[in-house]
Amino acid sequence: DQQVKQNSPSLSVQEGRISILNCDYTNSMFDYFLWYKKYPAEGPTFLISISSIKDKNEDGRFTVFLNKSAKHLSLHIVPSQPGDSAVYFCAASAYGDTDKLIFGTGTRLQVFP
Amino acid sequence: DTGVSQDPRHKITKRGQNVTFRCDPISEHNRLYWYRQTLGQGPEFLTYFQNEAQLEKSRLLSDRFSAERPKGSFSTLEIQRTEQGDSAMYLCASSPQEGYGYTFGSGTRLTVV
Repeated sequence: DQQVKQNSPSLSVQEGRISILNCDYTNSMFDYFLWYKKYPAEGPTFLISISSIKDKNEDGRFTVFLNKSAKHLSLHIVPSQPGDSAVYFCAASAYGDTDKLIFGTGTRLQVFP
Repeated sequence: DTGVSQDPRHKITKRGQNVTFRCDPISEHNRLYWYRQTLGQGPEFLTYFQNEAQLEKSRLLSDRFSAERPKGSFSTLEIQRTEQGDSAMYLCASSPQEGYGYTFGSGTRLTVV
């Protein structure tokens, strides 16, 4: 039972363009969402988060959008840079269970020159 | 403080042997988490501690797995009688309080042959 789904295993984007990574969830109790970035041979690194009381959160080149009615969130990276090439994981936690994160399967982003 | 430290980085063991991994969290973080990541999947929650108390264990954590955090600082994860299905990346993370994004270590990659 995959409660957090990232249906695109990979994405390839040209440098300077926008990267859009998508994530869907099924559990209506999820109320906090996070994106992590992972380079090979390293642990995931926290990128940005959003609470269910918001529909957008922005941090520099990274913006996360949340559509609660569709149970969908997306991460926008503008402009994309070669150093953004990594695996991106979407994660969620439920109200009252905030210590446990449920991760998606990840999307591998490649930014080419 | 250099972040979350895990030791060893890699471990190859024969089936049936016991292995132990160590995690040193960020010193001021009272919460410590263990996750497991297999190929093509996102990290899966195993267990977590608040100080020295183990507050939750996933059903993924069979009786062969045991985790400790004896003084509320470092933690160990032991796997007894290893099986090939235990081969995975074992990730440790810490956070200062409930509801914060974790800081992950670089993980211990276990290969059971």
